[in-house]
Amino acid sequence: AQTVTQSQPEMSVQEAETVTLSCTYDTSESDYYLFWYKQPPSRQMILVIRQEAYKQQNATENRFSVNFQKAAKSFSLKISDSQLGDAAMYFCAYRNNDMRFGAGTRLTVKP
Amino acid sequence: NAGVMQNPRHLVRRRGQEARLRCSPMKGHSHVYWYRQLPEEGLKFMVYLQKENIIDESGMPKERFSAEFPKEGPSILRIQQVVRGDSAAYFCASSLYDGDTEAFFGQGTRLTVV
Repeated sequence: AQTVTQSQPEMSVQEAETVTLSCTYDTSESDYYLFWYKQPPSRQMILVIRQEAYKQQNATENRFSVNFQKAAKSFSLKISDSQLGDAAMYFCAYRNNDMRFGAGTRLTVKP
Repeated sequence: NAGVMQNPRHLVRRRGQEARLRCSPMKGHSHVYWYRQLPEEGLKFMVYLQKENIIDESGMPKERFSAEFPKEGPSILRIQQVVRGDSAAYFCASSLYDGDTEAFFGQGTRLTVV
């Protein structure tokens, strides 16, 4: 069974600083997708970044980047130059057929 | 405390039939969210409900789709006259409070329209 673990229920970062959110997963599959979703107070799940397991290069989207370690089954999200609008719940997700989410990390950005 | 329960896990419907997807939130949760996941895409917000009220349905298609969360029983996402483009995984999530606590997701219902 695929499981996704986010070990940080809450994280806090100072505005303009960098923060890293951790995610590990368990799978016996070799081909899958990994995602980070953001859930702001609007409740919409917003896709932040995705990573295909067959790609060795880490995905980057503007201030968001991942550190994908396939052998270690680790998929952390780094947010650079944090902004107040980054405050939200962040969900890590694994997808092969079903999509599995972690329990989420609540990110607080301090001005 | 059981998690968010969605059923059925898999649902096959012919074009033109109705699909009813059920979601039982976690015990004590009065906020339910539905998401749709199309192949190769992320979750798409559909609707946010509280008991007996629709709070935000900005992601819900204007026609054929409806949702309810009655005072008693599960939340229901209803799709009338299904078309092949409705084939997707539909995820439900629940939370305890609005603007607070994390949302817990169900395992989803995979709808296939043939």
